[in-house]
Amino acid sequence: NAGVTQTPKFQVLKTGQSMTLQCAQDMNHNSMYWYRQDPGMGLRLIYYSASEGTTDKGEVPNGYNVSRLNKREFSLRLESAAPSQTSVYFCASSVTGLGTEAFFGQGTRLTVV
Amino acid sequence: KQEVTQIPAALSVPEGENLVLNCSFTDSAIYNLQWFRQDPGKGLTSLLLIQSSQREQTSGRLNASLDKSSGRSTLYIAASQPGDSATYLCAVPTNDYKLSFGAGTTVTVRA
Repeated sequence: NAGVTQTPKFQVLKTGQSMTLQCAQDMNHNSMYWYRQDPGMGLRLIYYSASEGTTDKGEVPNGYNVSRLNKREFSLRLESAAPSQTSVYFCASSVTGLGTEAFFGQGTRLTVV
Repeated sequence: KQEVTQIPAALSVPEGENLVLNCSFTDSAIYNLQWFRQDPGKGLTSLLLIQSSQREQTSGRLNASLDKSSGRSTLYIAASQPGDSATYLCAVPTNDYKLSFGAGTTVTVRA
């Protein structure tokens, strides 16, 4: 009963490096999300995918790109990492976006030095 | 803009005491409200989802109430245990696809 699985769990990057955070869900959910969690700022939406084949910006999309690879997988890419992107990243999914229950992964703790 | 507030920010109680966690929101036109638990260094675990048409939702020792008109929800945890120590977050959807979160209440249950 995996739910939402994120990889990697931890990552350290140098400024300017790129990386992709992977997310997969096995609940046949249509909607998927990427949030970041920072002390004092709470959880903020970076990007979301309402359904397979669509993606949209959230509150804080600058510096990120996403790909909805298929119904199960939604990746987040940092093209040129900056120290301001040091954060904990969470992927989430829900049946649809219409206020249905959201399920979260265990998070990726990213440090950019 | 939907604002979600959780007070208090932290709470410490002896084992066995009932916990009362508060969540308030500024826009009462919500689809639902969801309560989560977050353990240190971990992800968010969904505890309860209460629909806008419901007044209460229960799961085991947890009971969540919702009063849309006053913009409030309360999470009750009966007979607290040290294992209940965690941060509890409430969230409401601000549109179809974004959840607006409170800052959370960090609970410590003392054995």
